[in-house]
Amino acid sequence: QSALTQPASVSGSPGQSITISCTGTSSDVGGYNYVSWYQQHPGKAPKLMIYDVSNRPSGVSNRFSGSKSGNTASLTISGLQAEDEADYYCSSYTSSSTYVFGTGTKVSVL
Amino acid sequence: EVQLVESGGGLVQPGGSLRLSCAASGFIVSNNYMYWVRQAPGKGLEWVSVIYTGHSTYYADSVKGRFTISRDSSKNTLSLQMNSLRAEDTAVYYCAMGRSDQFDYWGQGTLVTVSS
Repeated sequence: QSALTQPASVSGSPGQSITISCTGTSSDVGGYNYVSWYQQHPGKAPKLMIYDVSNRPSGVSNRFSGSKSGNTASLTISGLQAEDEADYYCSSYTSSSTYVFGTGTKVSVL
Repeated sequence: EVQLVESGGGLVQPGGSLRLSCAASGFIVSNNYMYWVRQAPGKGLEWVSVIYTGHSTYYADSVKGRFTISRDSSKNTLSLQMNSLRAEDTAVYYCAMGRSDQFDYWGQGTLVTVSS
């Protein structure tokens, strides 16, 4: 199972919006609404930010939103803040009853 | 409050075995999807295994036939038996709980180093 494709890095200024893409195939991202997104700060465990494509867990800021079109899912962070600087990973359920993560995106706040 | 605490990591020689444990509190392990996810030093996340609320288990191709996931309902714990370890298995291993097909809660991770 190949990793989902994410841009290596995305940057933005405070207050701006950025979008991270996550491209898979019809056997994973395109075939199921089981796409989730995770934030990971250095040396810390990942944190769930979005599940089932566009749902936010309780306690996650509404500045984070998710969507999907075809085989590509996206995470948008609006009103970018310094604390959003972290690595972000997407994940999807697959037709093989397994799971696959994205390659990861480093978000920098300029 | 949901808590997951991994243990059992350490240094092991290639070809050796190690058993990781994950102690859960604040929820019942057998009522949720339980996962193992690993992260090699400086690399991205890699899904390793899942055990569903029934007894179904699935593995990444990279560990199939070498790793075994299990749970102990009496102790509310999750385990990962790792055999025939290779250098490429070196990673921080996280256990995670999911209410469905996502990883809702994570432990702090335990480091496994495979080296001679």
